[in-house]
Parts: sequence; C-alpha cells; structure tokens
Amino acid sequence: DVKVTQSSRYLVKRTGEKVFLECVQDMDHENMFWYRQDPGLGLRLIYFSYDVKMKEKGDIPEGYSVSREKKERFSLILESASTNQTSMYLCASRYSGNYNEQFFGPGTRLTVL
Amino acid sequence: DAKTTQPNSMESNEEEPVHLPCNHSTISGTDYIHWYRQLPSQGPEYVIHGLTSNVNNRMASLAIAEDRKSSTLILHRATLRDAAVYYCILSQSYAAGNKLTFGGGTRVLVKP
Repeated sequence: DVKVTQSSRYLVKRTGEKVFLECVQDMDHENMFWYRQDPGLGLRLIYFSYDVKMKEKGDIPEGYSVSREKKERFSLILESASTNQTSMYLCASRYSGNYNEQFFGPGTRLTVL
Repeated sequence: DAKTTQPNSMESNEEEPVHLPCNHSTISGTDYIHWYRQLPSQGPEYVIHGLTSNVNNRMASLAIAEDRKSSTLILHRATLRDAAVYYCILSQSYAAGNKLTFGGGTRVLVKP
C-alpha cells in the first residue's frame, strides 16, 4: 500500500515563527502536492512539485515556500507564521501521467497563536 | 478551470444505494471526472474516475451523461463506513501535475 506520512498530526506555533511541515511518501512518486483545507473553502492547492528540485505555485502560494531535495520528501515552509495560516494542511503524491490518482496523508492541523 | 456543482448533503439508509449527482456543464473535451471522498479526520482518498464511458470498480460506479455535462457516483450498498464528504472534480488530462481543484463536496450521512 502507498503510504504518505506527515510529520505531525497537530502543531501549535506562535506568530512570526518559522514552521516546517514535512511529508514523506514511500512509493517513488514523481509528483507531490501541498493543500490547505478550511471550512467552507474546500481544499486549495498551495504548491506542487513535478520531481526533485522542481516546484510550481498552486492557487494560494503567498506566505509559503517549499523544498524538494529528495524524491520521497516534500517540505512546506511558513517563513513567518501568521494567524490566517491556521488550517489543516494535507500532503499528497502520485505517479506522473495523465490521470493517476493522488494519495493523501492524514493531515497536519496547524494552529498559529 | 471548469467548475462542478454538488448538493451540500444527502442522507441514506444503510445497505441502500446512494446516487450522488454532479453537474459540470462547462466541462471541456479533455477533462477527466474524478471522485474522491474524505472520511472524518482523514485525508481524501480516491474513489473513481472516468472520461466518457461508465466505469465500475470495487468501491463504486460512475455514470457519465452522454453530453458529459453531468455525472453520478453510485454507491451500491451504503455502509456506515461510507459516511464521508464526496468530491466531484474535473482535471484536464494534459495538465502538468494533474492538478485537482476541490469544491465543497457532498456530505453523505448513512443511517443504520
């Protein structure tokens, strides 16, 4: 079974802190994604990565950056956390190709105080 | 991006079929129709996808209208474990990374 793991289920940080959210997948997938999920807004794509060291902005990249140094790991970075970044963060991965499904991790609920 | 419209919620009795509609009147010829679901406190999981023909797998069936402007996800015998939010998503086949845009989805309640 494909497994996508995220470093924390729950995280509490203070405004202005630098925050790292880690995602690891074990199936050699080329593509990886970071979404955030907020009530009433559904899932919104922050960044995605085609392959190692490659990244593309999603729909809401402002305030975020990403890093993909190894194929299995995709990190989301909040350079200076703000309260409006309190959210559920979901990582996903998939094989490249036209219609391969995305596999999601369990999510990290981040609270910024 | 082409949009989808789904009812906010639906109720079903256990072991009865559930038909979840999705309207996508602005679908383009290269858009695939995907369905994902999200169980409570979990990340979304893939259910099924299709392009033009009806599709079946172990989880569900997908019925696609002939003009492709709507589709229906069919859960043949709902169980309590099927209570989740179901998302109907269009994704262009050639889109880099096959980006998925999730809308509000349909919350399915299964009554015992």
